[in-house]
Amino acid sequence: GEDVEQSLFLSVREGDSSVINCTYTDSSSTYLYWYKQEPGAGLQLLTYIFSNMDMKQDQRLTVLLNKKDKHLSLRIADTQTGDSAIYFCAETPFTGGYQKVTFGTGTKLQVIP
Amino acid sequence: GAVVSQHPSWVICKSGTSVKIECRSLDFQATTMFWYRQFPKQSLMLMATSNEGSKATYEQGVEKDKFLINHASLTLSTLTVTSAHPEDSSFYICSARDPRSTDTQYFGPGTRLTVL
Repeated sequence: GEDVEQSLFLSVREGDSSVINCTYTDSSSTYLYWYKQEPGAGLQLLTYIFSNMDMKQDQRLTVLLNKKDKHLSLRIADTQTGDSAIYFCAETPFTGGYQKVTFGTGTKLQVIP
Repeated sequence: GAVVSQHPSWVICKSGTSVKIECRSLDFQATTMFWYRQFPKQSLMLMATSNEGSKATYEQGVEKDKFLINHASLTLSTLTVTSAHPEDSSFYICSARDPRSTDTQYFGPGTRLTVL
């Protein structure tokens, strides 16, 4: 079945850039997402990218997609302590009426003041 | 973005009782909602897909009689954990698919269930 892999933990200093990486196996992935989960809360959609795009930028967030290598990354510029959370990568093929999303294991980002 | 709410946020119940969790899409109509379960320090596991007006589709290994799902309207889906046991303690998250927004799923804040 589909598989989405992420590293478990990342620690950066406040003001530095963070790069969270994700690899996936499903070649039919059409939509790829990044979600943020703060402690005790649900998921918050940060951004998404279509598989026909290489890059998407949204304020401090930059998503890079290497479709050939099935590699997705999320770069957070000028990382702040409020960015400390777990970040989930997710993918889904477009199947019309039924959309099953496969999530990665999540990367815990720790921002050191 | 679209807003999805869940109620309650946190519930503690005794073993053997049933607990109902509500998921509502507040500003859009969702023909499809999803229920996830998250174990501590782990990723989300899709439990079932809830379709308005029809029976839910359960993922392999999820007990239909244990986790009852009802999607009675375009803005409300409920998950009932029947005869709850301590191993059912978990974080339950729902999401709703917004057909106006490239079918992106928007997630509720989650419900923490603790079964004593």
